Amino acid sequence: EIVLTQSPGTLSLSPGERATLSCRASQSISSNYLAWYQQKPGQAPRLLIYGASTRATGVPDRFSGSGSGTGFTLTISGLEPEDFAVYYCQQFGSSPLYTFGPGTKLDIK
Amino acid sequence: EVQLVESGGGLVEPGGSLRLSCTASGFTFSNAWMSWVRQAPGKGLEWVGRIKRKSDGGTTEYAAPVKGRFTISRDDSKNTVYLQMNSLKTEDTAVYYCTKLSVYQIDYWGQGTLVTVSS
Repeated sequence: EIVLTQSPGTLSLSPGERATLSCRASQSISSNYLAWYQQKPGQAPRLLIYGASTRATGVPDRFSGSGSGTGFTLTISGLEPEDFAVYYCQQFGSSPLYTFGPGTKLDIK
Repeated sequence: EVQLVESGGGLVEPGGSLRLSCTASGFTFSNAWMSWVRQAPGKGLEWVGRIKRKSDGGTTEYAAPVKGRFTISRDDSKNTVYLQMNSLKTEDTAVYYCTKLSVYQIDYWGQGTLVTVSS
């Protein structure tokens, strides 16, 4: 079973700053299999990035994804007030089919 | 607009059963692979299981913690996917999300329905 680790657990930044969130896999995974989600309090998650670097429909271009192998990054350039949320990475595997990281909470400094 | 609307959540005693429903609209349901994901209070996301479209066999896969207790089914005539949960445990307490799959990721989520297992 591939385990995803996200860091930091909490990231405190101010609007306008750049956020860099990390997702590490316990084994190498295909970039096609890595996605990122945003979840705001009381809401369902929302797909942001799939295939490690492709933005989902309607996602602002300040969100970008990168990485390969065991290390992946979600970057938010120029934080907007609505970006403060919890971010999860997810990989598609064999058993279980879908695995999520523990999440990074991005909060306002 | 894609919409996934869950129903059927509530309070159930340990060992009991509950069936969740999810009615979909805004896309061709019969072509979609569907999934359930849960989130315990204050915790992260956990995949529960998946059902393929009938043209791909309509087969199901489950996460280890629920295998043998939970069953996913679908009724394409009603654009509805179900999650039958038996032998419920306190650790099954969570918000259950109905989701639509797109190859290797989840592209749409319902608003979730809360299941509480407690005596």
